[in-house]
Amino acid sequence: KQEVTQIPAALSVPEGENLVLNCSFTDSAIYNLQWFRQDPGKGLTSLLLIQSSQREQTSGRLNASLDKSSGRSTLYIAASQPGDSATYLCARYNFNKFYFGSGTKLNVKP
Amino acid sequence: EAGVTQFPSHSVIEKGQTVTLRCDPISGHDNLYWYRRVMGKEIKFLLHFVKESKQDESGMPNNRFLAERTGGTYSTLKVQPAELEDSGVYFCASSQGLWAYGYTFGSGTRLTVV
Repeated sequence: KQEVTQIPAALSVPEGENLVLNCSFTDSAIYNLQWFRQDPGKGLTSLLLIQSSQREQTSGRLNASLDKSSGRSTLYIAASQPGDSATYLCARYNFNKFYFGSGTKLNVKP
Repeated sequence: EAGVTQFPSHSVIEKGQTVTLRCDPISGHDNLYWYRRVMGKEIKFLLHFVKESKQDESGMPNNRFLAERTGGTYSTLKVQPAELEDSGVYFCASSQGLWAYGYTFGSGTRLTVV
């Protein structure tokens, strides 16, 4: 069974804080780990994809890391902004499909 | 480039009725996927088409769900008869190849069964 767990389920922070979202998975035979963002009523927007041979990816204020040995990935958001408020999903990609975590709902307060 | 289009965006139906969801993938994408998120749960895979053929339908919950992909273009997902537990958001995605970074998700159809 390929489980993906995300902690915390919800997070509320003041604007400007740096924050870390956590994702853990049960199977270390991972091919790709992807972080998505979902805004209410919108689809899933891909943020960062870490391939199995990589350890981290960076895009702007976002940095995602992957530690296959411990079965963990983290998404680091620097200098958070109200526009970062959304649900963040991590998903592993195996056998041509994604296995999603239940997400972390982030609220960044102005 | 147009993205993955799903409609309707919202649907409210009574228990026992039939609903058909439609997905138009990105032009040229042979792979089409359906996922859904039911209340309180994570997004789960339903099935995968390669062109008009079902490649993997391991996530389909039961025989009340029927997915088709006519001519390898758009796809429909029919729920008949709908039950209360079918309420949720149904996502479609498409990709050209079988790699994660090629996936594009639609905005989903929110289905409410009352």
